[in-house]
Amino acid sequence: DAGITQSPRHKVTETGTPVTLRCHQTENHRYMYWYRQDPGHGLRLIHYSYGVKDTDKGEVSDGYSVSRSKTEDFLLTLESATSSQTSVYFCAISESVETQYFGPGTRLLVL
Amino acid sequence: RKEVEQDPGPFNVPEGATVAFNCTYSNSASQSFFWYRQDCRKEPKLLMSVYSSGNEDGRFTAQLNRASQYISLLIRDSKLSDSATYLCVVTPYNNNDMRFGAGTRLTVKP
Repeated sequence: DAGITQSPRHKVTETGTPVTLRCHQTENHRYMYWYRQDPGHGLRLIHYSYGVKDTDKGEVSDGYSVSRSKTEDFLLTLESATSSQTSVYFCAISESVETQYFGPGTRLLVL
Repeated sequence: RKEVEQDPGPFNVPEGATVAFNCTYSNSASQSFFWYRQDCRKEPKLLMSVYSSGNEDGRFTAQLNRASQYISLLIRDSKLSDSATYLCVVTPYNNNDMRFGAGTRLTVKP
């Protein structure tokens, strides 16, 4: 299995609070991604990174920001969490378009 | 209209059965196609890529029909361990922007 970890794995927070999720890889892959998964929608891309400090928006980027200051770390920040951001968040990495390797996921509940 | 549509199932089949899933996509410019597998409360994992000429990996066969804009996955001789949700994935805009279907749930029973 690819070396990807996500932290925290579970989080409960309140509406309006900031939240940061961390994705860490040991594979030195160039590309990193953040997805959210909700029933009936499948996985949806939030943001992705194609290198240190190089990021781009995905399909559902509103309300989220990202940062990548090192190859191995990709942070997802919810500046002011809302209940609609309750979801399971997956990080993924890839070196080519052929395969994305996913982390174990973070379950976020916003009350 | 969703970018990628799948029958959510569930498909309940006995061991040894052959089962097929279809997935339709809306953007004719889509370039890359994949099937991922996701076990309950786990992360998705790549099952196989789907090529224009079709491809086979053991009991699994994937086909692409560009004219009708669908991809298919055929599983022969189903095993209990095949029970999972199968996700259809398409890249309609660029290779970093993967669009996932909501998944088709398969349960293989003894």
